[in-house]
Amino acid sequence: DVKVTQSSRYLVKRTGEKVFLECVQDMDHENMFWYRQDPGLGLRLIYFSYDVKMKEKGDIPEGYSVSREKKERFSLILESASTNQTSMYLCASSLGVGLGVLTFGAGSRLTVL
Amino acid sequence: AQSVTQLGSHVSVSEGALVLLRCNYSSSVPPYLFWYVQYPNQGLQLLLKYTSAATLVKGINGFEAEFKKSETSFHLTKPSAHMSDAAEYFCAVSHRDSSYKLIFGSGTRLLVRP
Repeated sequence: DVKVTQSSRYLVKRTGEKVFLECVQDMDHENMFWYRQDPGLGLRLIYFSYDVKMKEKGDIPEGYSVSREKKERFSLILESASTNQTSMYLCASSLGVGLGVLTFGAGSRLTVL
Repeated sequence: AQSVTQLGSHVSVSEGALVLLRCNYSSSVPPYLFWYVQYPNQGLQLLLKYTSAATLVKGINGFEAEFKKSETSFHLTKPSAHMSDAAEYFCAVSHRDSSYKLIFGSGTRLLVRP
């Protein structure tokens, strides 16, 4: 089975801190994604990457950046965390032409105080 | 532009009753449609997908969905609910020109009463 591992399940940070959320997949998938999940809003795409060092903005990229230096790892960075970034963050991966079939990690719940 | 609407943020059924979760989509091109399920404290997993083959799609755990172009719908059903079906369900849409980008609905939480 494809595994997508998010290293931190729960984080508590203070306003203004720099936050790194790490995601690793083990099945050589080309595409990787970061979503944000909020009650009543479903999942919203923050950034995605279809190749190493490639990235594209999703629907809500403001306040976030990403890094993909290796194929298996996709990091989400909050340069200066704010309280409105308190949320569940989900990483996912898919094959090159995956037709929307994504494999998700278990999520990272971030609380910004 | 694509979008997905899920009617009902919460649906409650009795164990053994029919499950019906509603999803309507809008897409300017032939869509791909998906249902994902999220169990408590887990990520999402694929239940089933429609990619322009058979309009009635069978998924895991006894779920199925029917693509109805005339109604722009892709409702999820299961004949008999189990307690283990309690979860949040997400409908999603993509299309050929952006096959790696999914647009998700807001989700429906299914509660199963004993």
